Amino acid sequence: RKEVEQDPGPFNVPEGATVAFNCTYSNSASQSFFWYRQDCRKEPKLLMSVYSSGNEDGRFTAQLNRASQYISLLIRDSKLSDSATYLCVVFMDTGRRALTFGSGTRLQVQP
Amino acid sequence: DAGVIQSPRHEVTEMGQEVTLRCKPISGHNSLFWYRQTMMRGLELLIYFNNNVPIDDSGMPEDRFSAKMPNASFSTLKIQPSEPRDSAVYFCASSLLLNYGYTFGSGTRLTVV
Repeated sequence: RKEVEQDPGPFNVPEGATVAFNCTYSNSASQSFFWYRQDCRKEPKLLMSVYSSGNEDGRFTAQLNRASQYISLLIRDSKLSDSATYLCVVFMDTGRRALTFGSGTRLQVQP
Repeated sequence: DAGVIQSPRHEVTEMGQEVTLRCKPISGHNSLFWYRQTMMRGLELLIYFNNNVPIDDSGMPEDRFSAKMPNASFSTLKIQPSEPRDSAVYFCASSLLLNYGYTFGSGTRLTVV
């Protein structure tokens, strides 16, 4: 079983739509959680951290459910520029002690 | 700040040849990571260094792969001999903390024919 699992998509949505991505992680020892964004043929970049209480950054909302080992990302009012792959990322303070990346969910926002 | 600098950006080589990928981390960052990205396996951690010391190399596929960090401003990932299945994008990242704030380089797209 992969440590971090995501639906690969693609999610094709019209501009202005709300879209949600989910991610599950297998190791309950995971301590830190993030969403990264990767544009086509570019490097991953940090989008936002994910906190237990949930957090929001403009049109983006991230939530964490430790009991279910589940992370989500909600994007409201989608823009064409949101088209990218969104990577779910966890850090475990045991074992490898480095960020572990999911394979990503591809989003395509259409005009 | 110039960010994490990787070279070359693209490398095409024949099977059996030696390949060396290079990385210059952000000044002041004490952790450096090598990741490999493929369509099939996503982004996989190969090895990472903390204060120039290799900490975990369990992700290195086999003995054909080796990595060094001779000083705080330079690291190499070497593949010898290269094989077609090594074709991937290799990313280097650096950070101040192990659990946050990784900055990635632009990657090296390796094709082994």
